[in-house]
Amino acid sequence: AQTVTQSQPEMSVQEAETVTLSCTYDTSESNYYLFWYKQPPSRQMILVIRQEAYKQQNATENRFSVNFQKAAKSFSLKISDSQLGDTAMYFCAFMGTRSGNTGKLIFGQGTTLQVKP
Amino acid sequence: SAVISQKPSRDICQRGTSLTIQCQVDSQVTMMFWYRQQPGQSLTLIATANQGSEATYESGFVIDKFPISRPNLTFSTLTVSNMSPEDSSIYLCSVRVDTEAFFGQGTRLTVV
Repeated sequence: AQTVTQSQPEMSVQEAETVTLSCTYDTSESNYYLFWYKQPPSRQMILVIRQEAYKQQNATENRFSVNFQKAAKSFSLKISDSQLGDTAMYFCAFMGTRSGNTGKLIFGQGTTLQVKP
Repeated sequence: SAVISQKPSRDICQRGTSLTIQCQVDSQVTMMFWYRQQPGQSLTLIATANQGSEATYESGFVIDKFPISRPNLTFSTLTVSNMSPEDSSIYLCSVRVDTEAFFGQGTRLTVV
């Protein structure tokens, strides 16, 4: 069974600084998708960034980038130039592609990020 | 992409009663997913709802407690039955479009 682990329950960063959130996962599949979701107090799940396992290049979305290490099964999120609006809970998630895998997501425990002014 | 309208956004319910949560999607989707997020915790999949067939429940969740309907390709409901304070959580519906998941706004349920 697939598992996703986020070992940092809480993190804080000063505004304009850079922070990295860690995520490791376990799977026997060779092709899959990894995601980082942001959940602010509004509860809405917002997709931050997505990585396809068969792509070697790390995904980047503006101030957000990932360090995807497939062999190590590691998928960290780097937030550059942190802004107060980045304060939220961040979830790492896995989606398999094996036949019968309907598209459900497996989530890590979450990391609460606080950006301080 | 997909836009999901989830209702109600929040509710406070008496123990022993039931609450039905609705999700409406702006496009036809094969699978809809229902997640539970207990206070301060991560999201856990309750069940997968496929139109025209019974929902598939994850370990620890049963149909009698969380009956699901999926009458068409754009709509689903989740009922939380015979509620207890332990059911106080956020419930979210989700759909998959291509390789991306979209979520409703969530229903914050408090059972007193």
